[in-house]
Amino acid sequence: DADVTQTPRNRITKTGKRIMLECSQTKGHDRMYWYRQDPGLGLRLIYYSFDVKDINKGEISDGYSVSRQAQAKFSLSLESAIPNQTALYFCATSDTTGAVTFGSGTRLTVV
Amino acid sequence: AQSVTQPDIHITVSEGASLELRCNYSYGATPYLFWYVQSPGQGLQLLLKYFSGDTLVQGIKGFEAEFKRSQSSFNLRKPSVHWSDAAEYFCAVGANSWGKFQFGAGTQVVVTP
Repeated sequence: DADVTQTPRNRITKTGKRIMLECSQTKGHDRMYWYRQDPGLGLRLIYYSFDVKDINKGEISDGYSVSRQAQAKFSLSLESAIPNQTALYFCATSDTTGAVTFGSGTRLTVV
Repeated sequence: AQSVTQPDIHITVSEGASLELRCNYSYGATPYLFWYVQSPGQGLQLLLKYFSGDTLVQGIKGFEAEFKRSQSSFNLRKPSVHWSDAAEYFCAVGANSWGKFQFGAGTQVVVTP
């Protein structure tokens, strides 16, 4: 099994729908992150969490929310999806030594 | 504010030739610098990282990078590329070694026979 598992791998949804992207990790790390990747823009940080009780906004948090259900689980929600949220979303986890492990990504299309 | 610039969007290189990918950063303090590689349909894999010490760092897959404070650069190099090096490469900077990074826009590398 992968160290960081993202579900679903691909999703097409309609404008205005609520959608949740899920992430679970088996690394035992406290720190987890959600990034969004757009062509020509690289990856941009949406939210991050340094432990179960800690949630922080990243660079582009508007339109998104997160939930840290447990040390191993960190989900990203789009309350009302819009087309410009079409992107590749990555979850990641890290320890304090700089070892960051990324999931394989969720490709989200909002039509 | 911190920022990362990768000036080359796309690079084509012949198999066996050398490769250099440029990365310039803007950061107020001593940065933590990283290079990641993303193969098609995959997540990101760490190639190497620089925190302090020797400014020439060795990574996986035969890659190395040199930190030049005076030029605010952290360029990635490989002496002889293999077809499997075709991928997108991202430079990233952070305030520490955790995963809260600023990424560059990426450089797409194409390897020709």
